Amino acid sequence: IVMTQSPATLSVSPGERATLSCRASQSVTTNLAWYQQKPGQAPRLLIYGASSRATGIPARFSGSGSGTEFTLTISSLQSEDIAVYSCQQYDNWPFTFGRGTRLEIK
Amino acid sequence: QVTLKESGPALVKPTQTLTLTCTFSGFSLSTSHMRVGWIRQSPGKPLEWLARIDWDDWKFYSTSLRTRLTVSKDTSKNQVVLTMTNMEVVDTGTYYCVRMWQRLVVDSWGQGTPVTVSS
Repeated sequence: IVMTQSPATLSVSPGERATLSCRASQSVTTNLAWYQQKPGQAPRLLIYGASSRATGIPARFSGSGSGTEFTLTISSLQSEDIAVYSCQQYDNWPFTFGRGTRLEIK
Repeated sequence: QVTLKESGPALVKPTQTLTLTCTFSGFSLSTSHMRVGWIRQSPGKPLEWLARIDWDDWKFYSTSLRTRLTVSKDTSKNQVVLTMTNMEVVDTGTYYCVRMWQRLVVDSWGQGTPVTVSS
């Protein structure tokens, strides 16, 4: 299953909303996760089941979608949210990741 | 507290075999629905699942790398070992050991170990 993320890079002003998209080449139902990766660090789980926040993840992060279209929304961008965000399907093995969206501060 | 740590050579030559060991703590791979896997991150490429081994000893491999990979576990030592044969320059990257429990999502990551393939 090929995961396609858009845009590749997104520039957002602090306090503004950031919307990241992920598309699957076939339906993955809601078996979709989002990960955040900051420079020099391992990724961190943000969202699983397309819309459930992982433990300790702030409420400004939300996920939505099902089937082939998914969205990660950061309601009010904070400086610490600067990172690369990757989606991953776990509906079928081998699990696959998108290429990521790099989120920048405008 | 769950921790995972990868160990292995930082540099391997083309055609050599890479052996990576993941030593973990804070959980047991004999626990039902516990899984440990390997993900790599190569320059310019998305994260890529390589292999995983489950609590019941089921093993899963990347479709494209299946013939080169072997994953095994030593539950008594809290270790998982990944071997990758016939290394190529394109295998250069950071290799992560990861855990999944119950849900098939990675809830814990090792720090990653960089591997360079060069003659």
